[in-house]
Amino acid sequence: RKEVEQDPGPFNVPEGATVAFNCTYSNSASQSFFWYRQDCRKEPKLLMSVYSSGNEDGRFTAQLNRASQYISLLIRDSKLSDSATYLCVVNRENSGYALNFGKGTSLLVTP
Amino acid sequence: DTAVSQTPKYLVTQMGNDKSIKCEQNLGHDTMYWYKQDSKKFLKIMFSYNNKELIINETVPNRFSPKSPDKAHLNLHINSLELGDSAVYFCASSNGRRDEQFFGPGTRLTVL
Repeated sequence: RKEVEQDPGPFNVPEGATVAFNCTYSNSASQSFFWYRQDCRKEPKLLMSVYSSGNEDGRFTAQLNRASQYISLLIRDSKLSDSATYLCVVNRENSGYALNFGKGTSLLVTP
Repeated sequence: DTAVSQTPKYLVTQMGNDKSIKCEQNLGHDTMYWYKQDSKKFLKIMFSYNNKELIINETVPNRFSPKSPDKAHLNLHINSLELGDSAVYFCASSNGRRDEQFFGPGTRLTVL
């Protein structure tokens, strides 16, 4: 089983739509969870950290379910500028200082 | 003010050559990393250093040798380049093992 699994998409949605991405992880000892965004030919950048109680940042809401080892990202009122690849990221709690990245979910927001 | 910088941005070279990629961070972080992103866009850890000490060394051919002269710099030297080494190499840094990582702009390596 891969350490972090995501649906690769692509997700094609119209502007204004709500879209949700899901992710599962295999290491139950993981303590830190993130969503990163990567634009084409650019470096990954942190979108938001994910906390156990769930957290919101503007149009973005992240949820964590530790029992199911499941992370989600909800984007409301999609903008054209949201088009990117969204990477689910989980820390490697048992083996040093690194992050495990999912393969990413591709989002295309269309006019 | 670039937080994590890498040079060069593009590197095109022949098989069998030796090349180096440099990385510097001005964030005062203790931990630095090298990641490889292959043609399928999968981002995978290669090495991690904490205060100049090697912490993670994944299953990477020993043709790849990281060097950290100080905690602000982490360089990657690659010997005897192979076609399969073609990828984008990202340097990153963080302030702790559970913290956000900041990535450099990447070095796009093409081996011909």
